[in-house]
Amino acid sequence: EDQVTQSPEALRLQEGESSSLNCSYTVSGLRGLFWYRQDPGKGPEFLFTLYSAGEEKEKERLKATLTKKESFLHITAPKPEDSATYLCAVQALKNFNKFYFGSGTKLNVKP
Amino acid sequence: NAGVTQTPKFQVLKTGQSMTLQCAQDMNHNSMYWYRQDPGMGLRLIYYSASEGTTDKGEVPNGYNVSRLNKREFSLRLESAAPSQTSVYFCASSERAGATDTQYFGPGTRLTVL
Repeated sequence: EDQVTQSPEALRLQEGESSSLNCSYTVSGLRGLFWYRQDPGKGPEFLFTLYSAGEEKEKERLKATLTKKESFLHITAPKPEDSATYLCAVQALKNFNKFYFGSGTKLNVKP
Repeated sequence: NAGVTQTPKFQVLKTGQSMTLQCAQDMNHNSMYWYRQDPGMGLRLIYYSASEGTTDKGEVPNGYNVSRLNKREFSLRLESAAPSQTSVYFCASSERAGATDTQYFGPGTRLTVL
């Protein structure tokens, strides 16, 4: 069964304290792995797509990496405005119209 | 460009009432999706439309119907609302051209069924 597990559920960091969020997945053939940011009361906002193991993408303080079983979202020197819930989703080759989302990691960055 | 828009933003229903959630996109995307988001469960796919004129069930379709009215619009109907359908509903769209499957989400509809 295709599934996505994100950890930790919640993470509190001090401003400038770097850390990583984890997304573990089980899918029978990965077409793509997606990272989104969701602010309270809003829809998810696209961050990155990764397609193959070893791939990395960067955007400002965020870097996403992918292995055959998991993806990491590394946050370097975070700022309070990085506080949000980060969602991971996978898309399977067998039916790429279906996307499976994890329950997210709620990040709180304190000044 | 407005992107993906949803109406209404908030809705309160009584058990057994019906309603339609509206979604429109102005990005000329081929595919559209309806999700529900519940605390601790992540986003779950209700229905999707891979292209104009087609619709298919997702992970949790029971109690819902959809209509792909044209390329821009995709509506979700609750025929007889139940308290278990209290949730936040998100519409999304994607281009589906080549390898680009990135989904773009609307702001959501917060539905409470009493």
